[in-house]
Amino acid sequence: GDSVTQMEGPVTLSEEAFLTINCTYTATGYPSLFWYVQYPGEGLQLLLKATKADDKGSNKGFEATYRKETTSFHLEKGSVQVSDSAVYFCALTQASRKLTFGKGITLSVRP
Amino acid sequence: DAGVIQSPRHEVTEMGQEVTLRCKPISGHDYLFWYRQTMMRGLELLIYFNNNVPIDDSGMPEDRFSAKMPNASFSTLKIQPSEPRDSAVYFCASSRTGGGTQYFGPGTRLTVT
Repeated sequence: GDSVTQMEGPVTLSEEAFLTINCTYTATGYPSLFWYVQYPGEGLQLLLKATKADDKGSNKGFEATYRKETTSFHLEKGSVQVSDSAVYFCALTQASRKLTFGKGITLSVRP
Repeated sequence: DAGVIQSPRHEVTEMGQEVTLRCKPISGHDYLFWYRQTMMRGLELLIYFNNNVPIDDSGMPEDRFSAKMPNASFSTLKIQPSEPRDSAVYFCASSRTGGGTQYFGPGTRLTVT
C-alpha cells in the first residue's frame, strides 16, 4: 500500500538557519503530495501541496518540489523563525481519497 | 467560514463509560474524516464519509468504536465502553472533494482513567 517516510526527529535549529525536512513516498500511480503543520494545541493545517511531478508548492517561505524520479517531496525554508516551531507532516493522497501521513517531525527553533 | 467545529475540546472519563465526540464539518464539504493521534502510533485514519455515507471504516480499532453522520452538518464518533488505551486526541476533518485539501478541527483530547 501507499506509505510516507519522514526523517527522524526532533530537529532543533537556531533562528535564521536553513531548514530541510526529508520526505519520501511509496505509491502506485500519481499521488498528490502535501505538507501539513500542527502548532501546539491545534489541529493540522495545510502548509503547501503539489499535484503533479515537478510542481513546486510554496507558502510562508516554505517550499517543496514534487520529484517523481526520486519519489520525494522535501520541505525547505531558507530562514526559519521561532514561530515556525511546530510538528510537520508529509502526506499523500490518491483516488482512494484517504490521506496517508508520515509520522511527523517536531521542529524547535530557538532565538 | 467557522471552520471545522469539534466538541468537546477535552473529555475525561472513567473506563467503561460511553464517550461521544462531535463534529460539524465546513458547509459544502462532501467528505468527512475521523483521525486519532497518539505519541505511539502517530496520526491514524479511523473512518471517512462521502455525502454522509461511510466509505472506509477499516481504521476503526474494534467494535467498541462506531461513527455516524446523520446529515451533512453533523457527525459523531462513539466509544462504548471506553478503555484507557483509547486516550488520544481525536480529529475531525472535512474536504470539498475527494483527494482535495482537508481542513482539520482543533481536536478533542480524550483521557480515559
